[in-house]
Amino acid sequence: EIVLTQSPGTLSMSPGERATLSCRASQTVSSSQLAWYQRRPGQAPRLLIFGASSRAAGIPDRFSGSGSGTDFTLNITRLEPEDFAVYYCQQYGSSPTFGGGTKVEVK
Amino acid sequence: EVQLVESGGGLVQPGGSLRLSCAASGFPFSGSWMSWVRQATGKGLEWVANIKYDGTEIYYVDSVEGRFTISRDNGKNSLYLQMNSLRAEDTAVYYCVRGGYSHYVFLFDSWGQGTLVTVSS
Repeated sequence: EIVLTQSPGTLSMSPGERATLSCRASQTVSSSQLAWYQRRPGQAPRLLIFGASSRAAGIPDRFSGSGSGTDFTLNITRLEPEDFAVYYCQQYGSSPTFGGGTKVEVK
Repeated sequence: EVQLVESGGGLVQPGGSLRLSCAASGFPFSGSWMSWVRQATGKGLEWVANIKYDGTEIYYVDSVEGRFTISRDNGKNSLYLQMNSLRAEDTAVYYCVRGGYSHYVFLFDSWGQGTLVTVSS
């Protein structure tokens, strides 16, 4: 099983700032099958990024993903009020697993 | 608009059974891989089981193999999860999820709101 470790657990930011979230895998994620989801309070998770760096349909370009192998990053430039949420990474290989999440909160 | 509405959650004693249902609408259900994903309070998300659009392929996470059964009825646009021999560690919110985004079975693009299962005496 590939274990995904997200850091930090909580990120305290102000609107307009840039947020950088990290996801580290216990072994190589094949073909960069790494996704990021956003979970707003009271809502279902929403797919943001797949293939480590491709935005899902309708996702604004302030969200960007990067990385390969075992280290992946989600960047959110110019945080909007609706971006304060919990973010999960996921590897979607043959036995999918999720990270524990990073909460982006208002400072 | 894609809609996934779960039902059937509740309080059950350890060793008991529960059947979750998911009503799907707004997309071609009979052509979609479907999964159940759960989240215990204060924990991360955990994929539980999935089923191919025609029901011919089914997979489970090791911790529920032999206790849970996923099934579907394409005529009713419905997904099910039969949960037997429930344990305290199965306590979680269970989400009905559509997979297959960009042709990846475990890439999930639509989620229900979830139904809470509590296993406790």
